[in-house]
Amino acid sequence: DTAVSQTPKYLVTQMGNDKSIKCEQNLGHDTMYWYKQDSKKFLKIMFSYNNKELIINETVPNRFSPKSPDKAHLNLHINSLELGDSAVYFCASSQGSEMNTEAFFGQGTRLTVV
Amino acid sequence: GENVEQHPSTLSVQEGDSAVIKCTYSDSASNYFPWYKQELGKRPQLIIDIRSNVGEKKDQRIAVTLNKTAKHFSLHITETQPEDSAVYFCAASGFQKLVFGTGTRLLVSP
Repeated sequence: DTAVSQTPKYLVTQMGNDKSIKCEQNLGHDTMYWYKQDSKKFLKIMFSYNNKELIINETVPNRFSPKSPDKAHLNLHINSLELGDSAVYFCASSQGSEMNTEAFFGQGTRLTVV
Repeated sequence: GENVEQHPSTLSVQEGDSAVIKCTYSDSASNYFPWYKQELGKRPQLIIDIRSNVGEKKDQRIAVTLNKTAKHFSLHITETQPEDSAVYFCAASGFQKLVFGTGTRLLVSP
């Protein structure tokens, strides 16, 4: 069983479009995250949710809107896509809210904006 | 907020050599320091972690050391093998988030 799964794995879209990435975890974790990995491989946190509540928003443009319908799901919707949004987006989850336990990552979604 | 620096950015070694990757962090309140390995096209996966009440931890060929006073922690891989080739990330627990270092690309040549 996949612990953290996200879909789609690849997403190619034109500038200006709106797209969503879905994430689900079956580990019973309280906290879920979205990370962005750029072409230089830097892993930067975007959002953190604990029990469906937004905890961290790392000055991400408001074109990015996360939604957590329940603590097992954290989706990411992106409006008006720009070339600079091209990256690999990773969903992750961990137990507790203090971020001092292992984070489990999804397989990533490679977003290419053309 | 927490800031994590990681060096070197690339590291090439011969099979059987040791590899050392170093990180520094800024927030003295950080208490959890994991190391992740990311193979090409794959997700980051935890390989070892250490908490602030421990100075050293070892798991087979991998060891991590932590110097809280200097805010340094390091990953040591002994007897490297070609399958150790990957990007390695250190991280430190900031306020309700993990802050990652910039990554080290390790290449182990046969």
